[in-house]
Amino acid sequence: EPEVTQTPSHQVTQMGQEVILRCVPISNHLYFYWYRQILGQKVEFLVSFYNNEISEKSEIFDDQFSVERPDGSNFTLKIRSTKLEDSAMYFCASSRDSMNTEAFFGQGTRLTVV
Amino acid sequence: QQQVKQSPQSLIVQKGGISIINCAYENTAFDYFPWYQQFPGKGPALLIAIRPDVSEKKEGRFTISFNKSAKQFSLHIMDSQPGDSATYFCAASIIPPTGNQFYFGTGTSLTVIP
Repeated sequence: EPEVTQTPSHQVTQMGQEVILRCVPISNHLYFYWYRQILGQKVEFLVSFYNNEISEKSEIFDDQFSVERPDGSNFTLKIRSTKLEDSAMYFCASSRDSMNTEAFFGQGTRLTVV
Repeated sequence: QQQVKQSPQSLIVQKGGISIINCAYENTAFDYFPWYQQFPGKGPALLIAIRPDVSEKKEGRFTISFNKSAKQFSLHIMDSQPGDSATYFCAASIIPPTGNQFYFGTGTSLTVIP
């Protein structure tokens, strides 16, 4: 069964450092998303990406965040200068098209900023 | 602004009992309402979903009841099993051509006691 894979599973970084979280969406999917979940809280939308550009982004997704699809398989989330409050589980998701509403989530990357 | 409100925060049910989780939404433009199941250390996985043109959808032991006028929907788990113990998130989205952004509820931690 196809799945969304994320690496690394856990990333520890010092405050102010840049991190890149990586995702490989399901191969025939066209829509890609990043969500985050602060420990014990709800899953929050960060950004959606379609046709090589951001289609929607939330207030959380400020100038410190960027996304990229550098090749035909990877989808990355970069946090330029991490803050303590960026510590969370980050989930990548993908869906096949706008009418196929089932979004498949990866297992997540736990980011810890110290 | 909390687009989707979920209750209860936690739920303990005896094996064989019925688990009921409720959600309410604000935005009448929402047209897709999925429920996600999340096990510890895993990403959310789609459990069942409903569109507002039907009032109920059943898949095995899982049923969504949808009340459009009240802007409420609920998940019913019949014959609850210990393996159902997980966190359940309701969500809502609009389906524009460029993909959809999910607004998640705060989650319900379900424990099914053998």
